[in-house]
Amino acid sequence: GENVEQHPSTLSVQEGDSAVIKCTYSDSASNYFPWYKQELGKGPQLIIDIRSNVGEKKDQRIAVTLNKTAKHFSLHITETQPEDSAVYFCAASAGGTSYGKLTFGQGTILTVHP
Amino acid sequence: SAVISQKPSRDICQRGTSLTIQCQVDSQVTMMFWYRQQPGQSLTLIATANQGSEATYESGFVIDKFPISRPNLTFSTLTVSNMSPEDSSIYLCSVEGDLNEKLFFGSGTQLSVL
Repeated sequence: GENVEQHPSTLSVQEGDSAVIKCTYSDSASNYFPWYKQELGKGPQLIIDIRSNVGEKKDQRIAVTLNKTAKHFSLHITETQPEDSAVYFCAASAGGTSYGKLTFGQGTILTVHP
Repeated sequence: SAVISQKPSRDICQRGTSLTIQCQVDSQVTMMFWYRQQPGQSLTLIATANQGSEATYESGFVIDKFPISRPNLTFSTLTVSNMSPEDSSIYLCSVEGDLNEKLFFGSGTQLSVL
């Protein structure tokens, strides 16, 4: 089955800096890669996703890049703000009838210092 | 995105007892999923809740331990049976948006077993 590795496990940045979180996956059949943000006491919130026919996607301060050949994808957050502090999870699925069957990475605790 | 309500939001239970978690969605959805998030860990898919048929369980999860009901397209329940302290986790209901093939999560049920 699919295996998703996520790095780093913790990331500390100053407000205004950029943050990058990287994930690798093992199953070449995976074609859907969402990123979730989870704040304390809440469920994961979908913040951005990318499908395998696209190399990069951007939404305001957040961007995701995908390298299918190397089987890795990354989350980029620019101009970080204290409210970006949370746990971020990457995930992968084979899509089709299985968009909901996600394999998650281990999570990254992002702390943005004012 | 769908609005997903889970009840209870948290509970403390005695070992050997069972707890039923309810998930209500504000619109009809075809696919509903139940995930588990153990303390400080990532999310793991328990099962897919199929409307009108038995749930489909992932490796390591069995119906006797986690019976699931899906009586209609807006509601599902997950029961954690014969609980032990190892069952202490956050249990999350999630639904796949029929139009945009994205997965959305409820706020979760934090379960502590003593």
